[in-house]
Amino acid sequence: NAGVTQTPKFRILKIGQSMTLQCAQDMNHNYMYWYRQDPGMGLKLIYYSVGAGITDKGEVPNGYNVSRSTTEDFPLRLELAAPSQTSVYFCASSYSTVRTEAFFGQGTRLTVV
Amino acid sequence: QKEVEQNSGPLSVPEGAIASLNCTYSDRGSQSFFWYRQYSGKSPELIMFIYSNGDKEDGRFTAQLNKASQYVSLLIRDSQPSDSATYLCAVNNPFQGGSEKLVFGKGTKLTVNP
Repeated sequence: NAGVTQTPKFRILKIGQSMTLQCAQDMNHNYMYWYRQDPGMGLKLIYYSVGAGITDKGEVPNGYNVSRSTTEDFPLRLELAAPSQTSVYFCASSYSTVRTEAFFGQGTRLTVV
Repeated sequence: QKEVEQNSGPLSVPEGAIASLNCTYSDRGSQSFFWYRQYSGKSPELIMFIYSNGDKEDGRFTAQLNKASQYVSLLIRDSQPSDSATYLCAVNNPFQGGSEKLVFGKGTKLTVNP
């Protein structure tokens, strides 16, 4: 059982470039999330989805976009990368946020130079 | 802005001691409370969750919740060096439409010294 799979694990981007962080889960979870974690900080929610076709902004959505065309996949798009987007990105999923565990992917370490 | 506050630490305890980790939250409507452990360079993993006031025990871990004081804690008994990690408190916050999301604190770094 793969759980939540994120790709790539590491990436270096130049300022102004774009990229997509991939996230897939095989647990048939309705809820999926993208968080970023800066050094010494907690997790800040970027975007979330409560099901296929439904997405909404979290705390720090600026500079990012998402889509959810299937239950399994929840890609995060970075447009015009900036140094402030240097961070570790975690994708997570849960059946719901109430009374169930959120499973995290292994993370993507992104550096924008 | 709904917030979850934790002492950033670091918290250092000797092996075999009790480690006490604390968390306060600002939203009185919060209903579910989670403790995640995160080893350096790894992703968070859930170790405890609690929904009702009082204590919940699971092995060496005890979660305590006091909704009136908006306070949740995690006790680790007989601390082991393998418990050395950052512990993240997470709280669910309801928002418009009835959907919910987890809000995380910044985490407390725990070091257990042999």
